[in-house]
Amino acid sequence: EPEVTQTPSHQVTQMGQEVILRCVPISNHLYFYWYRQILGQKVEFLVSFYNNEISEKSEIFDDQFSVERPDGSNFTLKIRSTKLEDSAMYFCASRKLQGSNYGYTFGSGTRLTVV
Amino acid sequence: AQTVTQSQPEMSVQEAETVTLSCTYDTSESDYYLFWYKQPPSRQMILVIRQEAYKQQNATENRFSVNFQKAAKSFSLKISDSQLGDAAMYFCAYRRSGNTPLVFGKGTRLSVIA
Repeated sequence: EPEVTQTPSHQVTQMGQEVILRCVPISNHLYFYWYRQILGQKVEFLVSFYNNEISEKSEIFDDQFSVERPDGSNFTLKIRSTKLEDSAMYFCASRKLQGSNYGYTFGSGTRLTVV
Repeated sequence: AQTVTQSQPEMSVQEAETVTLSCTYDTSESDYYLFWYKQPPSRQMILVIRQEAYKQQNATENRFSVNFQKAAKSFSLKISDSQLGDAAMYFCAYRRSGNTPLVFGKGTRLSVIA
């Protein structure tokens, strides 16, 4: 069964450093998303991406965050200057069709620890 | 704004028994989708079951079924013949029609007792 692949599975970074989280969505999916889950809390939407541009973003997704699909397969989330409160599990997800009832397929997540 | 409420932070069930997890949501939309996701200790998000709001028939996937009450805005998950592998965090989620994000509840941690 097709999978959404995320790398790395765990990243530790110093506060103030830039991090790039990588995702390879399912190949025939058109819509891509990043979600965040702070430990013990609910999953929160960050950003959605379609047709090479951001289609929607949440209040969490401020100027410190950016997304890119540099080569038609990878989908990246960059945090420019990490803060302690950015420590969380970051999930990439993709979806096939607009307006369909398809659920999202989530990757297995990247655990980001900011020290 | 849409909200999803899971009023049971934790539930437990004996192996082979049935358990029901509750979820309510608030929306003014008429066309939307509802989902239950399972998050085991590995923390991967796994789709368990989905329901289209326009369908009156409750969705069923093997041992998992939902009770969708549109007027009451309720979407509960029933797990029959519970197995040890069902132990996980369960999230209820809502999405309105279109390319829209999922809105999650806070989750219910399910323990299965052997």
